[in-house]
Amino acid sequence: GQQVMQIPQYQHVQEGEDFTTYCNSSTTLSNIQWYKQRPGGHPVFLIQLVKSGEVKKQKRLTFQFGEAKKNSSLHITATQTTDVGTYFCAGPLGGYQKVTFGTGTKLQVIP
Amino acid sequence: DTAVSQTPKYLVTQMGNDKSIKCEQNLGHDTMYWYKQDSKKFLKIMFSYNNKELIINETVPNRFSPKSPDKAHLNLHINSLELGDSAVYFCASSQGSAGGQPKGEQYFGPGTRLTVT
Repeated sequence: GQQVMQIPQYQHVQEGEDFTTYCNSSTTLSNIQWYKQRPGGHPVFLIQLVKSGEVKKQKRLTFQFGEAKKNSSLHITATQTTDVGTYFCAGPLGGYQKVTFGTGTKLQVIP
Repeated sequence: DTAVSQTPKYLVTQMGNDKSIKCEQNLGHDTMYWYKQDSKKFLKIMFSYNNKELIINETVPNRFSPKSPDKAHLNLHINSLELGDSAVYFCASSQGSAGGQPKGEQYFGPGTRLTVT
């Protein structure tokens, strides 16, 4: 079925290193959202991308939507311990255009 | 004031029991959702309501029955609980819906951790 995959599943980085998670959809998406879930917490919206090739920045976070609108990436520069959590992409897939969440990337930052 | 609230936060119960989880949002949103997050952290939509009408009903066992008394509330009732129902259940809301697709961000509640023994 239609799905949204993320890689890697887990990532351990030393504090100060960069981190990237990739999101791939089986079909073209009209938009893509990114969420962050801290350990024990709930998903919190980060950003929405709509245009092909769109790039948006939020401080140390850079979000990109692929030209074909089937993939996206989130890049964190110089990670901090506050970046720890699971990052999800989400896009409208399937019947009723329901929002399908990606498989998530769990980020651990070693101080 | 909490935007999306859920009760209870934790729920421990035995197999075969019936339980309910309540959700309320004070954001004035039209659309509310229930998600299930399993032990591997996969987040899967279960139901979506828009203005009290069911929009999305995923392949969820009919032991799960959502009820929306008004657009600010979406409750989830589960009959005959099974071990596999153990998970964290999140309620969420968003402003507007185009065929079930949120317009803009979804706001999630704090979650209800259900443990079935």
